[in-house]
Amino acid sequence: KNQVEQSPQSLIILEGKNCTLQCNYTVSPFSNLRWYKQDTGRGPVSLTIMTFSENTKSNGRYTATLDADTKQSSLHITASQLSDSASYICVVSGGGGADGLTFGKGTHLIIQP
Amino acid sequence: NAGVTQTPKFQVLKTGQSMTLQCAQDMNHEYMSWYRQDPGMGLRLIHYSVGAGITDQGEVPNGYNVSRSTTEDFPLRLLSAAPSQTSVYFCASSYSKQRGQFFGPGTRLTVL
Repeated sequence: KNQVEQSPQSLIILEGKNCTLQCNYTVSPFSNLRWYKQDTGRGPVSLTIMTFSENTKSNGRYTATLDADTKQSSLHITASQLSDSASYICVVSGGGGADGLTFGKGTHLIIQP
Repeated sequence: NAGVTQTPKFQVLKTGQSMTLQCAQDMNHEYMSWYRQDPGMGLRLIHYSVGAGITDQGEVPNGYNVSRSTTEDFPLRLLSAAPSQTSVYFCASSYSKQRGQFFGPGTRLTVL
């Protein structure tokens, strides 16, 4: 069964600190992996999309890594800001199912001043 | 570009009522989807469309209908609302299944 597991479920860090969110998947075949940021009360917004051949991709202070062999991805946030408080959702494309997308349940990140 | 727009933003219905959630995009995307998001459940696919005139069921289609008469619009119809349909509904669009999606701002629906 295609699954995407994210950890931790929730995380609280102080402003200015770094943090790393994890995404493990069992989706097969694999096409790409996406990270989305969802602010409270808003729709998800794409941060990065990585294909099989990409190990690292950055978007400002956000850096995503992908290890296709171990089927793991991480999202690293550097020098966190209050505006980083959000849910971060990992989505893997390529498996079976209706639209070939498998969503993780997200990590809820809170940045404290 | 307005991107993906959804109306209404909030809606309260009584059990048994019907309504249509509107979704429109101005990016000429072929692929559009409807999701519901419930606490602890993540986003779940209701229906999707790969182009005008083509729709298909997702993971949780029961109680919902869709149509795609134009590339721009993808309305979601609740036939007879039930409390279990209380949720936040998101519409999304993309150039294809392999490309990243653009999500609308969501509709928060409460069924009493």
